[in-house]
Amino acid sequence: GENVEQHPSTLSVQEGDSAVIKCTYSDSASNYFPWYKQELGKRPQLIIDIRSNVGEKKDQRIAVTLNKTAKHFSLHITETQPEDSAVYFCAASNSSNYKLTFGKGTLLTVNP
Amino acid sequence: DGGITQSPKYLFRKEGQNVTLSCEQNLNHDAMYWYRQDPGQGLRLIYYSQIVNDFQKGDIAEGYSVSREKKESFPLTVTSAQKNPTAFYLCASSIAADGHEKLFFGSGTQLSVL
Repeated sequence: GENVEQHPSTLSVQEGDSAVIKCTYSDSASNYFPWYKQELGKRPQLIIDIRSNVGEKKDQRIAVTLNKTAKHFSLHITETQPEDSAVYFCAASNSSNYKLTFGKGTLLTVNP
Repeated sequence: DGGITQSPKYLFRKEGQNVTLSCEQNLNHDAMYWYRQDPGQGLRLIYYSQIVNDFQKGDIAEGYSVSREKKESFPLTVTSAQKNPTAFYLCASSIAADGHEKLFFGSGTQLSVL
């Protein structure tokens, strides 16, 4: 089955800096890669996703890049703000497999 | 908020006891899921259901059972066979269960063992 590795497990940045979280996946058939954000004590929420026919996708301060050859994808957050502090999860799935496989999460702390 | 409700928020289980976690959605979604969240372990799939009266095991189904008698409801029973039940349990739903749809999560249930 699919295996998703996520790094780093914790990340601390200063407000205004950029943050990058990286994930690798094992199943070359995977073609959908979402990112979920879970603030402390709250439910996970989808923040951005990318499909395998696209190499990069942006939404304001966040972007996701995908390298299918290397089987890795990354989340980029620019101009970080304290409200970006949360646990971020990457995930992967493919068309023949109903389910998402999640990474173990990255705790991002943005220091004012 | 999100249209998916979990109850209770906190639940305590005595040894040998079965407990049931409730999950209800009013989003008219076909697919529903149960995930277990342990610190540093991400989200692991317990069971999922693509349609009423049908469900499949996820990656860690042992010691758990589910039912899907109504589209809106997907309760999870943690049985006495689950030896390490202490965790945060999240229910989710999506329009379809093709793995490519946005998941809407409930607010979770924290289960602890007395």
